[in-house]
Amino acid sequence: SQQGEEDPQALSIQEGENATMNCSYKTSINNLQWYRQNSGRGLVHLILIRSNEREKHSGRLRVTLDTSKKSSSLLITASRAADTASYFCATAPPWEQKVTFGTGTKLQVIP
Amino acid sequence: DAGITQSPRHKVTETGTPVTLRCHQTENHRYMYWYRQDPGHGLRLIHYSYGVKDTDKGEVSDGYSVSRSKTEDFLLTLESATSSQTSVYFCAIKGGGLTYEQYFGPGTRLTVT
Repeated sequence: SQQGEEDPQALSIQEGENATMNCSYKTSINNLQWYRQNSGRGLVHLILIRSNEREKHSGRLRVTLDTSKKSSSLLITASRAADTASYFCATAPPWEQKVTFGTGTKLQVIP
Repeated sequence: DAGITQSPRHKVTETGTPVTLRCHQTENHRYMYWYRQDPGHGLRLIHYSYGVKDTDKGEVSDGYSVSRSKTEDFLLTLESATSSQTSVYFCAIKGGGLTYEQYFGPGTRLTVT
């Protein structure tokens, strides 16, 4: 079964609005990552947050991590049409060099 | 794209035929991964490699084998393709050093008829 589960599965917003998507996971992690996938393309790494961090920023992206609740959220501020894509969280356990991906949130930003 | 190429990019094959997908990297990374992506399932790990001739199974390895005889090439083989293996296949590498980020190839769309 998938380690990470994203919520919502799909999200449609107007350009300029903020988009928030959530990820829940089941086991201990070393870090949690977020990736973006444009239609028909490979995944692109966005941001990584380590298990001892609570919040991280990168440009218009803000990621939070709550290890007690085994959950993370990705906030995209001031969304643009170019942000239209699927977003995946991926968790890395402490003892392995591989990650497990969630099922993704499909974001549509309407111009 | 971290110097990752996949070939072929598209393939249509018949049930029961063998198929080999190739992943090639130019940056000498140690870890390489094969995933499949299906609607409703996200990405699922098939096999991965942590060095030449060193491979391990992932979540959905049944019906697949891999080989890595050179650092730069990681091959995924479907010994006898089935319709359930119709999918998009992605290769990825893990960044070097202590990083955990993965970098993906463009994908191979495989249809088994």
